[in-house]
Amino acid sequence: NAGVTQTPKFQVLKTGQSMTLQCAQDMNHNSMYWYRQDPGMGLRLIYYSASEGTTDKGEVPNGYNVSRLNKREFSLRLESAAPSQTSVYFCASTVSYGEQYFGPGTRLTVT
Amino acid sequence: GENVEQHPSTLSVQEGDSAVIKCTYSDSASNYFPWYKQELGKRPQLIIDIRSNVGEKKDQRIAVTLNKTAKHFSLHITETQPEDSAVYFCAAGATGGGNKLTFGTGTQLKVEL
Repeated sequence: NAGVTQTPKFQVLKTGQSMTLQCAQDMNHNSMYWYRQDPGMGLRLIYYSASEGTTDKGEVPNGYNVSRLNKREFSLRLESAAPSQTSVYFCASTVSYGEQYFGPGTRLTVT
Repeated sequence: GENVEQHPSTLSVQEGDSAVIKCTYSDSASNYFPWYKQELGKRPQLIIDIRSNVGEKKDQRIAVTLNKTAKHFSLHITETQPEDSAVYFCAAGATGGGNKLTFGTGTQLKVEL
């Protein structure tokens, strides 16, 4: 039981490049989330998927897109990366209303 | 939407002392209040949570209190140890609507020997 996994762990992009962050969970959770973490700003919700087949915007969705590929997988795409998107990205999941389990994070730098 | 404020942003205590971190929330519909601990370079992990039908919850050296009327909740750590040094986040959420959580901005706790 791996829990929540994320790939890659680290990534450096040039401004304007695109990339997809992958997230998978093996806990049969219904809901999945993408957060970004910046110094002094806590965890801010980018997008979430309440259940398979649905996605919704969170607090800071601009510049991102998501895909809930199936119940296990939830990906985050940056179409045209900007320096303001330099951050640590966490994926999380929960089975119902309760504890969110976090992945190990992806540290992204955009130059 | 929900707004969660957390104080203080940094807290330094001597080993064995108590530490208290406070949060306020704005949405009266919020009914779930977890606390996460994040060690340097690691993922956030749940340490304790409380639901709105309970005023206090304790787990060994950690306790959380909730005042629904005032819309604030607090984390209490007693007999602090060096391994308690980390960043602590409070969060608030409401049942339904995707089970979203709104997080506070974090408290860096340092336990000094």
